[in-house]
Amino acid sequence: DAEITQSPRHKITETGRQVTLACHQTWNHNNMFWYRQDLGHGLRLIHYSYGVQDTNKGEVSDGYSVSRSNTEDLPLTLESAASSQTSVYFCASSAGPLREQYFGPGTRLTVT
Amino acid sequence: TQLLEQSPQFLSIQEGENLTVYCNSSSVFSSLQWYRQEPGEGPVLLVTVVTGGEVKKLKRLTFQFGDARKDSSLHITAAQTGDTGLYLCAGSDSSYKLIFGSGTRLLVRP
Repeated sequence: DAEITQSPRHKITETGRQVTLACHQTWNHNNMFWYRQDLGHGLRLIHYSYGVQDTNKGEVSDGYSVSRSNTEDLPLTLESAASSQTSVYFCASSAGPLREQYFGPGTRLTVT
Repeated sequence: TQLLEQSPQFLSIQEGENLTVYCNSSSVFSSLQWYRQEPGEGPVLLVTVVTGGEVKKLKRLTFQFGDARKDSSLHITAAQTGDTGLYLCAGSDSSYKLIFGSGTRLLVRP
């Protein structure tokens, strides 16, 4: 069965360190998204990609970067982790506009 | 910036009661989706509404898209404990990105 996975599921890191969160999907979807979820804010879009070599900034992209070298993966990098980036991060993929987004199980990141 | 406001933010009801959750915006959306999220998991799609005035039913859940495509509602009839969760509405903007509301946390007590 097709799926979308995220790793690690939990991560504790120190302020200033570089952190990379992995996202891998086997749906063969062109569209992939990264969100962060904080209490009272719902899901906010960080970066998204509509295909290989395509990346775009979302609503809250400062301090984050992504790269898309193949269809299956969209890793999210925090260049220099800050305490404000403590959050739960979700990756999602979809087949196209207006289509369902399939979400991964999330990564809980704590920056101390 | 397009915003979606959900109300109420939190709802605690007795099993068997009915409830309605609202999702409102001043912006027009090309479509609106409702997701449900369980603790420790990602959101899962419940329904997509596309046409203004559209009504969709999913067992005891009824979803409505406003005529002007700026608002939506989710009505649950005879709530069950299994309905407990976080309900999120999400509107599709002009570039087909999803704008999420802040969510309604529903607790159905036995």
